[in-house]
Amino acid sequence: DTGVSQNPRHKITKRGQNVTFRCDPISEHNRLYWYRQTLGQGPEFLTYFQNEAQLEKSRLLSDRFSAERPKGSFSTLEIQRTEQGDSAMYLCASSLALHRGTGLPDTQYFGPGTRLTVL
Amino acid sequence: ELKVEQNPLFLSMQEEKNYTIYCNYSTTSDRLYWYRQDPGKSLESLFVLLSNGAVKQEGRLMASLDTKARLSTLHITAAVHDLSATYFCAVDDSGTYKYIFGTGTRLKVLA
Repeated sequence: DTGVSQNPRHKITKRGQNVTFRCDPISEHNRLYWYRQTLGQGPEFLTYFQNEAQLEKSRLLSDRFSAERPKGSFSTLEIQRTEQGDSAMYLCASSLALHRGTGLPDTQYFGPGTRLTVL
Repeated sequence: ELKVEQNPLFLSMQEEKNYTIYCNYSTTSDRLYWYRQDPGKSLESLFVLLSNGAVKQEGRLMASLDTKARLSTLHITAAVHDLSATYFCAVDDSGTYKYIFGTGTRLKVLA
């Protein structure tokens, strides 16, 4: 397995446009997370899925943001009516609910991110 | 609301010296993770700490967790240039699997 992949890697858009990002997790991972990271800050939790169910969603995620994981595999994050403040790196991560060896919560494996620039 | 604080935010250290990065969090949690991020790259998992008193070591890095003090430490022994990166701790918010990251510690090891 090649790890978590994200597409596109870079996106430049004009304010007011809609954008969609895709994340392909590690194949057997049932948990998938989305984060936003701005320069000099730690990743900021946006939402997470277990299989196809969206279980947590940050209050920071405004109505303009929506995420889906329709078949419990890949996920999309859509931002509608983008604003300049949405410019950031959007990171996806995946994990097993429980590590096979320990039976304890597993760590997250991060993708390379999608860098969004809103002009 | 869970808050996660790291200190120092910036650390410039000489090779072969030892130092410790601290991660404090504000609410009860027994799951803490450490990650490394190189400039322009994504995050790489370093340690998973899942119980009070947990200690993990890998090479020159050692991480520990004290859930009663709500504190984790990342200790660097005999630093080398390759350890230059930003280090983040992340805490599970009350067992929800919603992970809150610290602001990061940017480490620079000087030759």
